[in-house]
Amino acid sequence: DGGITQSPKYLFRKEGQNVTLSCEQNLNHDAMYWYRQDPGQGLRLIYYSQIVNDFQKGDIAEGYSVSREKKESFPLTVTSAQKNPTAFYLCASSSGQGERLSGLAGVTDTQYFGPGTRLTVL
Amino acid sequence: QKEVEQDPGPLSVPEGAIVSLNCTYSNSAFQYFMWYRQYSRKGPELLMYTYSSGNKEDGRFTAQVDKSSKYISLFIRDSQPSDSATYLCAMRNSGYSTLTFGKGTMLLVSP
Repeated sequence: DGGITQSPKYLFRKEGQNVTLSCEQNLNHDAMYWYRQDPGQGLRLIYYSQIVNDFQKGDIAEGYSVSREKKESFPLTVTSAQKNPTAFYLCASSSGQGERLSGLAGVTDTQYFGPGTRLTVL
Repeated sequence: QKEVEQDPGPLSVPEGAIVSLNCTYSNSAFQYFMWYRQYSRKGPELLMYTYSSGNKEDGRFTAQVDKSSKYISLFIRDSQPSDSATYLCAMRNSGYSTLTFGKGTMLLVSP
């Protein structure tokens, strides 16, 4: 059964603690992404990775860190430096193909999302 | 001006109504346009995507892109209570680039 899993579903953290959110995919996708979703804010990109051992900052990377040691896994660490970490965190993956590698305009690189992790700082 | 604007709603309609959801954008380089549906406390799922301008239909859903006006729409025919969700538009440039999302519109379809 292919898909993206995120764990845990709910996470509680005390102020000053680091916490790591898990994201695993068995879709054989090259690219993976982390988003944060706040009420009324839509999805904002934290980090993304196009290939193993490489990743780039998104729009709101401050206070977060990631690693991409395996193709299937892209864990996100929320550090104590993140000022307002309470949010819904979504992981996504895509093939990384699209028109860039296929050479065909119009072939999009669909992002598939996991079920999310709701992080609450107490 | 934000890159992608989307009315947050909520938009309340009776069952069977035709629903129109819209986004405007400012970046003329956007070429790929997507609509995602997100149920409460779940991850978004892709409904439709459109490349460049034009219409695309899939069952009860129709996506329209008007690049000259920088305006995209999603129409839902014969709306059902199960369509009640938040609808997010997303778009990107050609080549490898990340998605830019709208804030989402909450749709409520009452029986």
